Amino acid sequence: QVQLQESGPGLVKPSETLSLTCTVSGGSISSYYWSWIRQPPGKGLEWIGYIHYSGSTNYNPSLKSRVTISVDTPKNQFSLKLSSVTAADTAVYYCARVVEYSYGSRWFDPWGQGTLVTVSS
Amino acid sequence: AIQMTQSPSSLSASVGDRVTITCRASQGIRNDLGWYQQKPGKAPRLLIYAASSLQSWVPSRFSGSGSGTDFTLTISSLQPEDFATYYCLQDYNYPFTFGPGTKVDIK
Repeated sequence: QVQLQESGPGLVKPSETLSLTCTVSGGSISSYYWSWIRQPPGKGLEWIGYIHYSGSTNYNPSLKSRVTISVDTPKNQFSLKLSSVTAADTAVYYCARVVEYSYGSRWFDPWGQGTLVTVSS
Repeated sequence: AIQMTQSPSSLSASVGDRVTITCRASQGIRNDLGWYQQKPGKAPRLLIYAASSLQSWVPSRFSGSGSGTDFTLTISSLQPEDFATYYCLQDYNYPFTFGPGTKVDIK
């Protein structure tokens, strides 16, 4: 079955760029949408954005000016870049597959295990 | 953005209890709503999509209902493995938004 694994630095300095990669195994990335979601410690979930394997993207307006999601189909990976980070960006970052089971209707499954990124000097 | 609210924010229940969690959207979202279960230190897992369709692994004691703005997740007989936080998620339009979560713990 499809599995996702996040990777990247666990510590990022304020004002720098957070970069994470999600590696997809057990299936091809060349289908579906692929998403990033984050969860600050002890808080709820926030959708960051997603990318179609073709490269089209949609971002949360609250983060849009700082977010880039890209896909690397030969490597079966997709990536997140979040620029100008502050302490408020400290969170567990999850990647997930997004399945459009009906036109305009989706589910998020499976998810990666998540990776904690701390923003601190 | 569509705002999602959940009630209660937390509840204490015993094994065997019937539990109902409510999710409300700030505008109509058809049935474009999913429920996700998250256990401590773990990633969320999809329980229900399209408001009432169970994902393949989900036991039949879970059920979902609703359409438009009001939705419910019901656990007919709470089991020890069901103690977790439950989130609703609307995927009707962008940005997709989660409810704040309902924590179900042991009474």
